[in-house]
Amino acid sequence: GEDVEQSLFLSVREGDSSVINCTYTDSSSTYLYWYKQEPGAGLQLLTYIFSNMDMKQDQRLTVLLNKKDKHLSLRIADTQTGDSAIYFCAESFMKTGGSYIPTFGRGTSLIVHP
Amino acid sequence: NAGVTQTPKFQVLKTGQSMTLQCAQDMNHNSMYWYRQDPGMGLRLIYYSASEGTTDKGEVPNGYNVSRLNKREFSLRLESAAPSQTSVYFCASSTPRVGAGRSKNIQYFGAGTRLSVL
Repeated sequence: GEDVEQSLFLSVREGDSSVINCTYTDSSSTYLYWYKQEPGAGLQLLTYIFSNMDMKQDQRLTVLLNKKDKHLSLRIADTQTGDSAIYFCAESFMKTGGSYIPTFGRGTSLIVHP
Repeated sequence: NAGVTQTPKFQVLKTGQSMTLQCAQDMNHNSMYWYRQDPGMGLRLIYYSASEGTTDKGEVPNGYNVSRLNKREFSLRLESAAPSQTSVYFCASSTPRVGAGRSKNIQYFGAGTRLSVL
């Protein structure tokens, strides 16, 4: 099945690290994505990783991939109040007709306290 | 560069009314998508258009129709709105990169249309 699972809420203090977790279902060659949605806005791509990689780092963001457990995490270092948003994990699945379309998790609401 | 533009931003309908949500992209993308977002449900795919001239059903197509008018525009129509269609609707576009048995598909989203059906 096409299931991407995430916890719904995470609360952290400003300056701490945040870790948002996701589990996915397809262990074959696939791309996995993290999107951010700020209040009242659409989704914006934060980063992505291919399933043959273990880690990807981009400034304050670190993506870790555990292929054995099909577990993906997004770590945000030195979390700021501006990081408060909903974070979506997504995995590409092939649809009828050959199109690879991301399936999204339910989203994790990150709340950053001053 | 406007990206993906959705109109209207807000709409209130009565049960049974019809309306069309408009979406246009200026990034020359091949593929376009319509999603709905409900609290605690994430994004669910309604319809998509892999390329100009084609449309396919997604996860929740019932009660909706779409038209890929040209490469830039992809509209979503509610023929007879129901309260269950109260939601936030997002349009997205992309050009998937395919090769070596894999496909990278980075989507660009509009700001959404907030629809209430009374």
